[in-house]
Amino acid sequence: EAGVAQSPRYKIIEKRQSVAFWCNPISGHATLYWYQQILGQGPKLLIQFQNNGVVDDSQLPKDRFSAERLKGVDSTLKIQPAKLEDSAVYLCASRRTSGWYEQYFGPGTRLTVT
Amino acid sequence: QKEVEQDPGPLSVPEGAIVSLNCTYSNSAFQYFMWYRQYSRKGPELLMYTYSSGNKEDGRFTAQVDKSSKYISLFIRDSQPSDSATYLCAMSDNAGNMLTFGGGTRLMVKP
Repeated sequence: EAGVAQSPRYKIIEKRQSVAFWCNPISGHATLYWYQQILGQGPKLLIQFQNNGVVDDSQLPKDRFSAERLKGVDSTLKIQPAKLEDSAVYLCASRRTSGWYEQYFGPGTRLTVT
Repeated sequence: QKEVEQDPGPLSVPEGAIVSLNCTYSNSAFQYFMWYRQYSRKGPELLMYTYSSGNKEDGRFTAQVDKSSKYISLFIRDSQPSDSATYLCAMSDNAGNMLTFGGGTRLMVKP
């Protein structure tokens, strides 16, 4: 079974520029998450989708971050404009929907904002 | 105060040692307790999960949950250099959904 795919793996941008990350979850996983992991910290949930609907985006800085999951499969996370404090690893995870199921994480996209 | 607290380490032990990793939490609604392992430049991978209080063993790994003290532990027996990684505790009140992570403990096992 293929894992969660993310691209790009690394991105360096200047502050005030925009950037987008892509995630392809495991086939059949209806629930998809985006996490932000700042160096030396644990992942922090940004947004959760179930199919193509948003379940929770309470910790997403909506003035600069946006995310979508068209057709309930792939997802993109965008930052516009980026700030220095957005430097982090952005992790995508997916899981089956109901009952106990583990979250499977992708390798992440490492963003550096200069 | 963070919802989940974890000593960041680093924790350095010799090969073969018993390792104890711990987390404390404040939200009494948490029912599912997980330990993830994260190698450098990789995503977290689930090691073990426990529902409610009690112990769970899987090979060299034992997870313990004490809900009365809001304290969870992961023990690694006969530690190996390949165990060198960051260990993240995570908790949820909803069957593995909506995880709250600790900050992670970096473990180094020296040959």
